[in-house]
Amino acid sequence: DSGVTQTPKHLITATGQRVTLRCSPRSGDLSVYWYQQSLDQGLQFLIQYYNGEERAKGNILERFSAQQFPDLHSELNLSSLELGDSALYFCASSVAPLFSPLHFGNGTRLTVT
Amino acid sequence: GQQLNQSPQSMFIQEGEDVSMNCTSSSIFNTWLWYKQDPGEGPVLLIALYKAGELTSNGRLTAQFGITRKDSFLNISASIPSDVGIYFCAGESRGTGNQFYFGTGTSLTVIP
Repeated sequence: DSGVTQTPKHLITATGQRVTLRCSPRSGDLSVYWYQQSLDQGLQFLIQYYNGEERAKGNILERFSAQQFPDLHSELNLSSLELGDSALYFCASSVAPLFSPLHFGNGTRLTVT
Repeated sequence: GQQLNQSPQSMFIQEGEDVSMNCTSSSIFNTWLWYKQDPGEGPVLLIALYKAGELTSNGRLTAQFGITRKDSFLNISASIPSDVGIYFCAGESRGTGNQFYFGTGTSLTVIP
């Protein structure tokens, strides 16, 4: 158990809808990362937060947004969903934003129908 | 975004054999990480490397941070069936906000 908690485990929704994925980092970790993994694909970095502030941005679509709250949990909001957004979404956390390994949650599997 | 070249893409080996895989990049990285992912689960950290030339072991696993800082290697000795899974390398770059870039993965199948 990595200590990173993601909810829900599965989400099935229709195109055009909006969903929120939630992540609680490991105790003591200040940095949260979001990754997308499509079928048979590697992990694509979306966004990173450190202690509530956005730290780095990757290939995150404008329809997607995220935030990290004062209690350090993070939410990833996906809106105007398209079929191609179906994927596994992983949250990872680390103690510090640099030189600190990532610990992953078990992901949220999003299916858009 | 940047992606690391990981090879081989897949491996089919007999139980007991040794395994080698590697990752290369056109950019210099400050940190190299190796992960294993089982189906439907999140990647699990195997080994973290922080210094060029560093060689680190974790049980039957050994990884090295390349001297050029553009590559890393993972070796698994005496493979067992539970080694089956997808192995990812990840490199940390500080060039654009210290992102972790992931390799495309090596799928390992161990034949008993």
